[in-house]
Amino acid sequence: QVQLVQSGAEVKQPGSSVKVSCKASGVTFSRFAITWVRQAPGQGLEWMGGIIPVFGTAKYAQKFQGRVTITTEESTTTAYMELSSLRSEDTAVYYCARWNAAGDFDYWGQGTLVTVSS
Amino acid sequence: EIVLTQSPGTLSLSPGERATLSCRASQSISSSFLAWYQQKPGQAPRLLISGASSRATGIPDRFSGSGSGTDFTLTISRLEPEDFAVYYCQQYDTSYSFGQGTKLEIK
Repeated sequence: QVQLVQSGAEVKQPGSSVKVSCKASGVTFSRFAITWVRQAPGQGLEWMGGIIPVFGTAKYAQKFQGRVTITTEESTTTAYMELSSLRSEDTAVYYCARWNAAGDFDYWGQGTLVTVSS
Repeated sequence: EIVLTQSPGTLSLSPGERATLSCRASQSISSSFLAWYQQKPGQAPRLLISGASSRATGIPDRFSGSGSGTDFTLTISRLEPEDFAVYYCQQYDTSYSFGQGTKLEIK
């Protein structure tokens, strides 16, 4: 059974970076594509990017290009999303999800709240 | 970027009624790369429908999806109390984008 467990809530200063983890279980990690979606308070869903570990290259939404880095660590079956140059508008719940071969997102982590505040 | 517009913004219905949610794309989505998600407060989204009309694993058959091109519909045939939530459509034809959501509330 696929399970994605994310790291805990973070409070960050403007201008700093945050790195959120997503540990996968019940999967063959090298063939497990992972994507990241965020949701600002009371707002909708926003795709940030994703990665297919076996290929090792990530794809990012244009809005986040240059500010987001998605990586994986096969030895621990963990994916990471690092967002830099944080601003208050980055306050959101960040979700990881399995990026299905068909293109949809069929399993989701529980979400990680990142609060950017001075 | 493909923009998805969902309507209505809020839908007020009673349990047992039929719900029809709309998602319109700013340009044609090929091969029906359109999904629907349900999200309840404090929870992650849950995949309901992929490929415009295929129910995800474990999704009850009261949920159905239809449409092609630029117009897509999610139908819930008979609303159960647990169906009241926010619903999002998503396209994965050209990059990825979500609609703004439709809130389905109890009347």
